[in-house]
Amino acid sequence: AQSVTQLGSHVSVSEGALVLLRCNYSSSVPPYLFWYVQYPNQGLQLLLKYTSAATLVKGINGFEAEFKKSETSFHLTKPSAHMSDAAEYFCAVSDGGRGSTLGRLYFGRGTQLTVWP
Amino acid sequence: KAGVTQTPRYLIKTRGQQVTLSCSPISGHRSVSWYQQTPGQGLQFLFEYFSETQRNKGNFPGRFSGRQFSNSRSEMNVSTLELGDSALYLCASSPEGTSSYNEQFFGPGTRLTVL
Repeated sequence: AQSVTQLGSHVSVSEGALVLLRCNYSSSVPPYLFWYVQYPNQGLQLLLKYTSAATLVKGINGFEAEFKKSETSFHLTKPSAHMSDAAEYFCAVSDGGRGSTLGRLYFGRGTQLTVWP
Repeated sequence: KAGVTQTPRYLIKTRGQQVTLSCSPISGHRSVSWYQQTPGQGLQFLFEYFSETQRNKGNFPGRFSGRQFSNSRSEMNVSTLELGDSALYLCASSPEGTSSYNEQFFGPGTRLTVL
């Protein structure tokens, strides 16, 4: 079965500092991986996804993530944090493998990002 | 295109009652999934519907059920509500012919409070 572990339930950075949110996955098949962001009282918004096309994936709002198979990791980074980045971030792995029609996502427990001025 | 819409946004019920939540997917999307989000358990998958058929189901008791209509709109029902059912219920839709790599587009959720 698929699973995701997000290290650090809370991360605090200063505005302008590097953001690094950690995600490790476990999957019985080559994974599809996602990062979502959730602002208060809202649903989840997709930041980026890995579907095997390239190991370094660029997303919206300046975020990117690198897929490292040897480390089973998919960490999310942003070079310079902005106050508007304060939110909760979720890493997810998809059920099923290539060509599967299973759309279920397994989510990590989330990382709350605080950005200090 | 309009996004995924969920109604109602907020709901307060008492134990033992039942509740029905509604989800309208993005136009053209035929897959609809439901998730429960709680502080204690995080985001948990409830079920997925595709072309009016339940294709995948999570580990929830039979009190949780759902259905999908021919226009892809979906409803989920929770009978005999318990305090622990208080949660944010999120609906997500995926494009037609969905595969695992297709991202899911989430609605704003319905906040259910059980008293």
